[in-house]
Amino acid sequence: GENVEQHPSTLSVQEGDSAVIKCTYSDSASNYFPWYKQELGKGPQLIIDIRSNVGEKKDQRIAVTLNKTAKHFSLHITETQPEDSAVYFCAASGNTGNQFYFGTGTSLTVIP
Amino acid sequence: DTAVSQTPKYLVTQMGNDKSIKCEQNLGHDTMYWYKQDSKKFLKIMFSYNNKELIINETVPNRFSPKSPDKAHLNLHINSLELGDSAVYFCASSPDYYEKLFFGSGTQLSVL
Repeated sequence: GENVEQHPSTLSVQEGDSAVIKCTYSDSASNYFPWYKQELGKGPQLIIDIRSNVGEKKDQRIAVTLNKTAKHFSLHITETQPEDSAVYFCAASGNTGNQFYFGTGTSLTVIP
Repeated sequence: DTAVSQTPKYLVTQMGNDKSIKCEQNLGHDTMYWYKQDSKKFLKIMFSYNNKELIINETVPNRFSPKSPDKAHLNLHINSLELGDSAVYFCASSPDYYEKLFFGSGTQLSVL
């Protein structure tokens, strides 16, 4: 099965700086890579996703990049704000659609 | 209107009891899920279900059972609760298997 590793587990940045979270996956058949943000006391919320036929996707201050050859994908948050503080999860999903593997999460703290 | 709602938000109970958590989605999605999030924030799939197929994670004890009265509801029944069942349980739904999951706000279960 798929194995998704996520780093770092915790990340602190100053407000206005950029934050980068990285994930690797093992199954070359995986073709869908979403990122979720979980705020305290809430459920995970989809913030951006990318498919394997695309190398990069951007939505305002967040972007995701995918390197299929190396089997890794990253979340980039620019101009961080205190409200970006949360736990972020990457995930990978395969062709068969019958499984969805989450990374172990990154706790991001943006220091005002 | 809340897209995926689950009740109760908090559930405190004694070992050995039987309890249920309710979930409803108003998004018209075909697929629903139950996830367990442990104290280290790891998200583990328990069940995925649409009107045709129930897929059970084989590591889930058979004390846990999903019940779906209709496409918009997927309730979770737990028999003979154990201390190790303490966790946050999330319901989710998606338009297709493992694509763009929408999560509820979670049920914090504490077994004493």
